[in-house]
Amino acid sequence: AQSVTQLGSHVSVSEGALVLLRCNYSSSVPPYLFWYVQYPNQGLQLLLKYTTGATLVKGINGFEAEFKKSETSFHLTKPSAHMSDAAEYFCAVSDGFNDYKLSFGAGTTVTVRA
Amino acid sequence: DGGITQSPKYLFRKEGQNVTLSCEQNLNHDAMYWYRQDPGQGLRLIYYSQIVNDFQKGDIAEGYSVSREKKESFPLTVTSAQKNPTAFYLCASSIGAGSNTGELFFGEGSRLTVL
Repeated sequence: AQSVTQLGSHVSVSEGALVLLRCNYSSSVPPYLFWYVQYPNQGLQLLLKYTTGATLVKGINGFEAEFKKSETSFHLTKPSAHMSDAAEYFCAVSDGFNDYKLSFGAGTTVTVRA
Repeated sequence: DGGITQSPKYLFRKEGQNVTLSCEQNLNHDAMYWYRQDPGQGLRLIYYSQIVNDFQKGDIAEGYSVSREKKESFPLTVTSAQKNPTAFYLCASSIGAGSNTGELFFGEGSRLTVL
């Protein structure tokens, strides 16, 4: 079985500062890893995903994440925060075979200070 | 535009009443899912369906029921047996079994409040 731990339920950053959201996973098989974003009272939208190949993955809105097998991590970063980045972010892992076995972390809420 | 439509967006229910949340998709996806979201707990899978006329329980199916009579539709009924039904409910779909993408497409959610 796979699981995800997101470190920090809330992150506050200044506009223009680095955004770093931490995600560690456990999986008994090579994982597929995802970051989703949720704006208030809306559904989730896929930011980026890692399946195989290049370990640095670029997504939408300037976000990227790096898969580090040795650290079992998949941290999400953005070099310069924008006010529109204020949202809740979810890391998720699957076993790569079945979409219904997507396991979500508890989420990290990002606030951006002007 | 293709997507997933959930209705109603907000719903209030008295204790002891069953309510049904609607989920319709026009993405031609085979698989559909219902998740429950509570603050600080992420998303928990209630039910999923990989094909019409078939569905399986997820991690927290007790007190819920579903049907999948049409490919486009996957309604969720929250029954009076659900002890703590106040939550945000999200419907999602994916291409289907074997796609192995992990990409779920979500509706905008339905917020249920029990009075």
